[in-house]
Amino acid sequence: LAKTTQPISMDSYEGQEVNITCSHNNIATNDYITWYQQFPSQGPRFIIQGYKTKVTNEVASLFIPADRKSSTLSLPRVSLSDTAVYYCLVGDPAAGNKLTFGGGTRVLVKP
Amino acid sequence: ETGVTQTPRHLVMGMTNKKSLKCEQHLGHNAMYWYKQSAKKPLELMFVYNFKEQTENNSVPSRFSPECPNSSHLFLHLHTLQPEDSALYLCASSQENRQGVYGYTFGSGTRLTVV
Repeated sequence: LAKTTQPISMDSYEGQEVNITCSHNNIATNDYITWYQQFPSQGPRFIIQGYKTKVTNEVASLFIPADRKSSTLSLPRVSLSDTAVYYCLVGDPAAGNKLTFGGGTRVLVKP
Repeated sequence: ETGVTQTPRHLVMGMTNKKSLKCEQHLGHNAMYWYKQSAKKPLELMFVYNFKEQTENNSVPSRFSPECPNSSHLFLHLHTLQPEDSALYLCASSQENRQGVYGYTFGSGTRLTVV
C-alpha cells in the first residue's frame, strides 16, 4: 500500500481557503486518492476522491499533478465547523485494498 | 446518519465484564470492518469481513472476538479487557471490488472505557 505523508497540523481563519498537500511517492497505477474528514468522537467521513487532474464537489476540490506523487485538498472559505482532522489515503478499489490511515492533518479554524 | 449504525454510543465496563458492540449497515455493502482509535493515535484496522468471511485479523488480542452473522451486521465481543483497550471503536462498510469511486462509510463509533 502506498504510504502517505501530510502535515501534522494547520491553522486558518474563517473565510480563508485551506490547502492541505499530501505526498504519496509510491502511488501505484491503479490507486485512487481519497480524502476523509473526522470530527472528534465521530467516524471519518468521505470528502472527495480522484485519480488525476482536478476533481470538485460541493465540499472541496482535489488537485492531482500529472505525476500523481502528491495531491492537494482545497477547502474554500472555511468556517469554524471545518475544524477537524483530514486524512489522505491511496488505494486500489478493484484490488480490495484495506484503507490504512496515517496521522492526518489537524486543521484548526479560528474566528 | 451515515447508513452505518453503531450501538451503544458509550460503554463503561469493568475488566471482568463481557460486553458486545453492534454494527449494522443499510447500504447493501458486502464488506465490514472494525477499527480502533486510541487517543492521539491513527486509526488501527482490527478485523475485515468480506461476504461474511473474516479475511483479516491484524494481530488483535483474543479478548476481542468478532462475529459477522450476515453482510449487514457485525459484532465485536469483548471480555476481560484492559484499561489500555479504552478507545473509540469504529465500524465501517464498503462495497468491495467496485471500479471507480469507492470509499468507506463509517459509523459514529462506540466510546469504550475500561475501568
